[in-house]
Order: sequence, then C-alpha cells, then structure tokens
Amino acid sequence: TQLLEQSPQFLSIQEGENLTVYCNSSSVFSSLQWYRQEPGEGPVLLVTVVTGGEVKKLKRLTFQFGDARKDSSLHITAAQPGDTGLYLCAGVETSGSRLTFGEGTQLTVNP
Amino acid sequence: DAGITQSPRHKVTETGTPVTLRCHQTENHRYMYWYRQDPGHGLRLIHYSYGVKDTDKGEVSDGYSVSRSKTEDFLLTLESATSSQTSVYFCAISNGGYSNQPQHFGDGTRLSIL
Repeated sequence: TQLLEQSPQFLSIQEGENLTVYCNSSSVFSSLQWYRQEPGEGPVLLVTVVTGGEVKKLKRLTFQFGDARKDSSLHITAAQPGDTGLYLCAGVETSGSRLTFGEGTQLTVNP
Repeated sequence: DAGITQSPRHKVTETGTPVTLRCHQTENHRYMYWYRQDPGHGLRLIHYSYGVKDTDKGEVSDGYSVSRSKTEDFLLTLESATSSQTSVYFCAISNGGYSNQPQHFGDGTRLSIL
C-alpha cells in the first residue's frame, strides 16, 4: 500500500489568513483527489489533479500536484469560517487498484 | 447530492452480537465501497463491489463480510462485533473504477461496540 502523509494534522487560524495543507508520499500516484468533510457528513470531492505540475483553482482554493506526482498541496486564500472542516487527500495508486487516503487536516477558521 | 442512504445512522451494541449496516443508492452506479474512519488512520477500505454478487476485500476486511444482491444495496455485516470495530462507517459509490470516476460518500453510520 502506498502511504500519504498530510500536514499539519490540526490548523486553527483567524478569518482572513492564508494557509497551506500538504499531502506527501514517497510513491508516485496516477492522480490525486482532495475532499472536504464536515461533522456528521461524508467527504465531498473538491478536485482531482492528474498531471504532474497541474494547478487547479476553485474560488479561493488552489490545488497543486507535484511535478513527480508524489505530493500535492492545497492553498486557501483569505480563509473564512465556512472553510472549517476536515480536508482529506486521496491518491489513486499507479496500478489503478486502490485509493489511499491521508489522515486528514482538521481546519478551524475563527471569526 | 448523490442518492446514498446509510442505515442506521447510529447504533450501540454489545461485543459478540451480529451487526448489519445497509447502504442504498438510487444512482445505478456499478461500484460500491465500505470504509471505516478512525482517528489517526483516515479512511480505510473494508470491502468493495464491482457489480451484483461481485465483491472483493479491501485492506481491513478481517471480521467483516459483505453482500450485494441488487445494484442498489450493499450490506456490511460484522458477524461477531468486537470493541475494535467501534468506528464510523462510510459507504461510497462510483460509476467507474478508482482511476476513472470520483467516489460519492454517504453520511456515515456511527457504530459503538460496548
């Protein structure tokens, strides 16, 4: 099984601040997905990145896939309380036979 | 929202009892998955199905069995529940394999084994 490590595990910031969440592995993934999960609900897909070096933007969220397809980052600009939640990265192994999840980053944005 | 319903949403039971969790979908998706979510471990795949009566094991399948007799229903059974199976269980569906289609998740079942 290919492992994914997310950092930081917990992040508490003030409204308006910027932040970056990292998802790292020593293995290559064919694609990487980012999910957001709110309490009492299941994860919801935010974006999928497929190509090394790819950058995708979703309003104030910017997702990047590393050139070597071993890592990814999520950057949030001017965070808002509505961004609070658990952010999960998940990598599709190169064999295509497994989706590996990171442990998640719990983000709290205080008003 | 994808039409996925998990039942029950909460359950408390005793060690050694059988437990069945149900996942029902209205999307006619081919693939269905059962995950458990635990602090420090993220989401881990228990079993998945790639069609009616076609199932396979995930990375944490010991102590669990599944059945899929209809496209819309995927059942997860704990034959004899243990305290280590206390967790939040999520069902997910997709219309293709991992590399083709994203997964859509239900809202989870919180299971406590006393």
